[in-house]
Order: sequence, then structure tokens, then C-alpha cells
Amino acid sequence: ETGVTQSPTHLIKTRGQQVTLRCSSQSGHNTVSWYQQALGQGPQFIFQYYREEENGRGNFPPRFSGLQFPNYSSELNVNALELDDSALYLCASSLGGGAWLDTQYFGPGTRLTVL
Amino acid sequence: QQQVKQSPQSLIVQKGGISIINCAYENTAFDYFPWYQQFPGKGPALLIAIRPDVSEKKEGRFTISFNKSAKQFSLHIMDSQPGDSATYFCAASKRGGGNKLTFGTGTQLKVEL
Repeated sequence: ETGVTQSPTHLIKTRGQQVTLRCSSQSGHNTVSWYQQALGQGPQFIFQYYREEENGRGNFPPRFSGLQFPNYSSELNVNALELDDSALYLCASSLGGGAWLDTQYFGPGTRLTVL
Repeated sequence: QQQVKQSPQSLIVQKGGISIINCAYENTAFDYFPWYQQFPGKGPALLIAIRPDVSEKKEGRFTISFNKSAKQFSLHIMDSQPGDSATYFCAASKRGGGNKLTFGTGTQLKVEL
């Protein structure tokens, strides 16, 4: 069974640029959540996708957007990058449509550095 | 607004000792409290979880103690081993909020020989 994979591993961008991060969910999982983990902080929920629809969003501006594809893989897009966007971006997949108590399985993350 | 407060920020324990990490929450709607373990270069992985209808849950060397009236819960790692050296996050979720997690700030644990 393949776990959650994310690409790229590391990424360096400059302020104002746009970035796309990718996530492949664990086999059989239909729900993908994205989290931002700033250095020395806990992960913060960005949004969740279930069956290609957004299924909840955290306190992040609209320049953070996402997609989920029919194979349940997902993309996180960030426009107009700011220095504070530098963080580890974690993708987590789950099996039950994002239901309460549905365990999330995290990928290793993409480290984004904005200069 | 930090809804889950975690302490200490870092912890050094001798091999065989007990590691204790504490968390406190503010939102009484939280109804599920997992702990995640994160090794360098890896994503967080679920370690153990508790619901507030019980005061304690034990899995191997890992125990969660839960105090609903104080809105606090803690992770105890018995017989701590060097392989337990990692960052530990407490988290919480609400029954009506799906499985979206609110995390604490993390505790970096180092177990020394």
C-alpha cells in the first residue's frame, strides 16, 4: 500500500510568484486536506477536498486555492506569494469523506521558501 | 487565536525515564483529541487518541490522561527510548467539524542515553 506522496520536496520562489504543490493520496482514500506548518509551529488547516469539491476551509486568504482530481490526487495553488508563506505544506488523506474520527494520514510535506 | 496550547516547547529525558507533554484547550466543542508524532523529514503520524468520555487511554508505553473539567490532556511516554526522539503534537477536532484538526505548537522531545 502506497502512502501519501507529495511533490516537489523543496521549492524556492520569490515574492509575487505563484506556486503549485501536488499530493497523491493513499490508495483508496477519497479525501485530501492541506495544512501549513510554519517553522516551530503546529500544522494549520488550509482546506479539505472530497470528491473534487471543497469541503471546509480554514482562515486562509483566497490566494490559497486547490483542486482535487477524479483519482483523488490534489493540488494546492498559492498566488502572489508573500514572505510569510514560507513553510512546510502538508497533505493528508483520509478514507471516509472527512467524517469526524476519520484518521488523517500525512505525507512528508513540501518545504516552500519565499525570498 | 491559539485554541490548543501545548507545553513544554522542548524536553530532554534520560533513557528509561517518563516524558510528559501537556495540552490545554479552550473550545468546549472539541470532542476528539489525538496525538501525532513527527520525525525529521516526515509528516505527522497518529500515535494515540482519546475522547472525553474516558479519563485515560493506554497503548503500550504511551498513555493519554484527560481532565474534562480542566480542559487539559497530557501524553505520558513511559520507559522513554532514544527512538522516541521526535516532535509531538497534540490536536483536537469537533464532532460537527469533520476530521479537520487544530494542532498545538509541538514539543521537541530528545531522549538521551
